[in-house]
Amino acid sequence: KQEVTQIPAALSVPEGENLVLNCSFTDSAIYNLQWFRQDPGKGLTSLLLIQSSQREQTSGRLNASLDKSSGRSTLYIAASQPGDSATYLCAVRPDSWGKFQFGAGTQVVVTP
Amino acid sequence: DARVTQTPRHKVTEMGQEVTMRCQPILGHNTVFWYRQTMMQGLELLAYFRNRAPLDDSGMPKDRFSAEMPDATLATLKIQPSEPRDSAVYFCASGLVSDGKLAVDYNEQFFGPGTRLTVL
Repeated sequence: KQEVTQIPAALSVPEGENLVLNCSFTDSAIYNLQWFRQDPGKGLTSLLLIQSSQREQTSGRLNASLDKSSGRSTLYIAASQPGDSATYLCAVRPDSWGKFQFGAGTQVVVTP
Repeated sequence: DARVTQTPRHKVTEMGQEVTMRCQPILGHNTVFWYRQTMMQGLELLAYFRNRAPLDDSGMPKDRFSAEMPDATLATLKIQPSEPRDSAVYFCASGLVSDGKLAVDYNEQFFGPGTRLTVL
């Protein structure tokens, strides 16, 4: 059974520092991995989607890497801003049929 | 600006009452997912549909939960009778999965704002 773990559960950094969020999964046979952001009281927003054949994806200040063999993905957020404060979740999918397995999330606070 | 919509956004009801949550997927998407989020369990997949057909609802308590897609523009999740332990935020998400083997799969899921359900 696939298990997805996100460590740490919570993270607080001063504005301007780079954020590093970790996601690990036990079964390397994944179809893709997706990073989401959730703001309090709101739904999920997709940040980056990495296919199993890819090593990384980038969007603006965000960069996500994927190492299937070691069962890890890392989300980097450069030059953090208070607006980046949210909970970040990673989810892996074993096949194209869409059954995601989510991690518990990392709650991020960026202080001004 | 295409987005997934969910109604109602908030629902407070008493134990034993029927609850119906609705979701309008993004036009053109052929896959719909229902998730439940609680503090204790995190985000759980309840059911998902492809081309309106239920593919997997193993995460859903069958005795009281039911999910349907009456048409391509509407997905419903019903709880009857509701219980306090059903209190959670219920998310709907939609996506587009290609049927063709050689076609590029666009597998991102777009989430709705959620329905916050409180059962007293």
